[in-house]
Amino acid sequence: NAGVTQTPKFHILKTGQSMTLQCAQDMNHGYLSWYRQDPGMGLRRIHYSVAAGITDKGEVPDGYNVSRSNTEDFPLRLESAAPSQTSVYFCASSLPTPYYGYTFGSGTRLTVV
Amino acid sequence: GQNIDQPTEMTATEGAIVQINCTYQTSGFNGLFWYQQHAGEAPTFLSYNVLDGLEEKGRFSSFLSRSKGYSYLLLKELQMKDSASYLCASMDSNYQLIWGAGTKLIIKP
Repeated sequence: NAGVTQTPKFHILKTGQSMTLQCAQDMNHGYLSWYRQDPGMGLRRIHYSVAAGITDKGEVPDGYNVSRSNTEDFPLRLESAAPSQTSVYFCASSLPTPYYGYTFGSGTRLTVV
Repeated sequence: GQNIDQPTEMTATEGAIVQINCTYQTSGFNGLFWYQQHAGEAPTFLSYNVLDGLEEKGRFSSFLSRSKGYSYLLLKELQMKDSASYLCASMDSNYQLIWGAGTKLIIKP
């Protein structure tokens, strides 16, 4: 099992450009979420999904969109990138019960110039 | 409000013991997680506590006191590979995680 796969690992984007960060999990987990990690701050949840077809906003959703058409994939889209979106992005999956924790993807380091 | 605090950085010696503390204020507390994150890598799950007391997993132990809003991660027989950031996160009644900024642990020979 690959676990949670994120692509790309690194990307540089110009202000105003759009892009999609990919997240795919093969553990049959229902719960998927996107986090951003910035220096000196805790992880902050952007959007999450408890099942295919169901998505909801997290703590910092502005400027980001998500969709969940199947169990495996949970892409994160930046429609018009801003320098404030420079960050490391993690996709995380889990079972409904928290006991086993979240499995994180390897992350995408995004720079918006 | 919801808040979680942990020290920014700690230094310890190889072979020694270190305790990383975490205090939290969480509405509808639903458990406390510890994760390890090596530089440039993803966080990996270490432990989950929802009941008071100490849980041991090999060299790592995690303690929780719900009445005090306090947890600690205890690392024994420190190895150089334990150099990493340790993230504390509490879960609220909506199953949302509130994350601390992490404690960077530096191990010296």
